[in-house]
Amino acid sequence: AQKVTQAQTEISVVEKEDVTLDCVYETRDTTYYLFWYKQPPSGELVFLIRRNSFDEQNEISGRYSWNFQKSTSSFNFTITASQVVDSAVYFCALSGRAAGNKLTFGGGTRVLVKP
Amino acid sequence: DTEVTQTPKHLVMGMTNKKSLKCEQHMGHRAMYWYKQKAKKPPELMFVYSYEKLSINESVPSRFSPECPNSSLLNLHLHALQPEDSALYLCASSQDPTGGDEKLFFGSGTQLSVL
Repeated sequence: AQKVTQAQTEISVVEKEDVTLDCVYETRDTTYYLFWYKQPPSGELVFLIRRNSFDEQNEISGRYSWNFQKSTSSFNFTITASQVVDSAVYFCALSGRAAGNKLTFGGGTRVLVKP
Repeated sequence: DTEVTQTPKHLVMGMTNKKSLKCEQHMGHRAMYWYKQKAKKPPELMFVYSYEKLSINESVPSRFSPECPNSSLLNLHLHALQPEDSALYLCASSQDPTGGDEKLFFGSGTQLSVL
């Protein structure tokens, strides 16, 4: 079985602050994939990043960065200099053979960026 | 064109009604998905179509009936629903259904209310 835990249900910050979203996962697979999706108020989930279990390089994309640590089974996401448009629900997700390659989502973290 | 289009955006139906949700993508994707999302919860997988054939049914009640008329279209037929079926129904697609590393493209969803 596989499991994804996002301990923070809601985070509120003021614009330009940095915000880090935690994601901890459990899986018995040696090969697996981790994802982050953003769900703005409009409803559609938007893909942000995919990582495979063999690639522990951290990644930066603009104001977004991801820290993958296999030793602690974590895949954390940081938004630097947050903006109001970053207000959304962010989901961490995991897929692997143990769950038939189906996505297992975490519970989501709602980020509210105030002007 | 990187969009998944869902219609209608909102639907209110009585428990004796029959209605259909529609989803369309023109990205040449060979996998299409239905997810159900209750408020403040992550999406839950309902069905997966792979190359126009139903490949996964997550033990969904028969009052939900999926249909994939062609590779671009996905329908969800609804009949005799219960109030607890009220939720956001999300359609998604991905290029290749076979791996676990697929990036999903989501529509904006249909917000369904069952009275």
